[in-house]
Amino acid sequence: GAGVSQTPSNKVTEKGKYVELRCDPISGHTALYWYRQSLGQGPEFLIYFQGTGAADDSGLPNDRFFAVRPEGSVSTLKIQRTERGDSAVYLCASSPGMTDTQYFGPGTRLTVL
Amino acid sequence: EDQVTQSPEALRLQEGESSSLNCSYTVSGLRGLFWYRQDPGKGPEFLFTLYSAGEEKEKERLKATLTKKESFLHITAPKPEDSATYLCAVYPSGGGSEKLVFGKGTKLTVNP
Repeated sequence: GAGVSQTPSNKVTEKGKYVELRCDPISGHTALYWYRQSLGQGPEFLIYFQGTGAADDSGLPNDRFFAVRPEGSVSTLKIQRTERGDSAVYLCASSPGMTDTQYFGPGTRLTVL
Repeated sequence: EDQVTQSPEALRLQEGESSSLNCSYTVSGLRGLFWYRQDPGKGPEFLFTLYSAGEEKEKERLKATLTKKESFLHITAPKPEDSATYLCAVYPSGGGSEKLVFGKGTKLTVNP
């Protein structure tokens, strides 16, 4: 079956611009996660959805970052007033439920010039 | 604070030379430990889940083991296609969050 998909695969933007990153989870998975991975580091947690609601957004670095999952399936990570330090690979994962194995998408590489 | 440390950071092996990767963790309680493989430019690919000390899982040339403080990923007679970064992650039981806490990974290179 289809895995987690993420679009775009690459995004180059200028400092101060707004970006949206999309995640399409595995069909039927109720839990969805966003992580950020910098070069040479492991993924770092950003936010977790159970259904439509954000159950834990403690990893969002500041209020420029926001994520939604309005219908409990596709999720969008939104970053306002991008900064060069936001450059990283943004990974999305989904799981059938809480504490289940998380399956990752290919990631979106964000570059802020 | 929940923490995962992987060693070594990088490992070079000759084809057929067996070795082990280490993942040590300090968490308030462990609900599960996960091993993932990550190829360059790709997302992490799930390998194993371990839940309790003494548990072992095997898949082809890989075997994962778990103790109360660490996990090992044993690679037997590796092949060049085993070259990748191997990530360890834990599900802490405290705090009510479902987030995985990852180590930095071990970059494995297997030379033919």
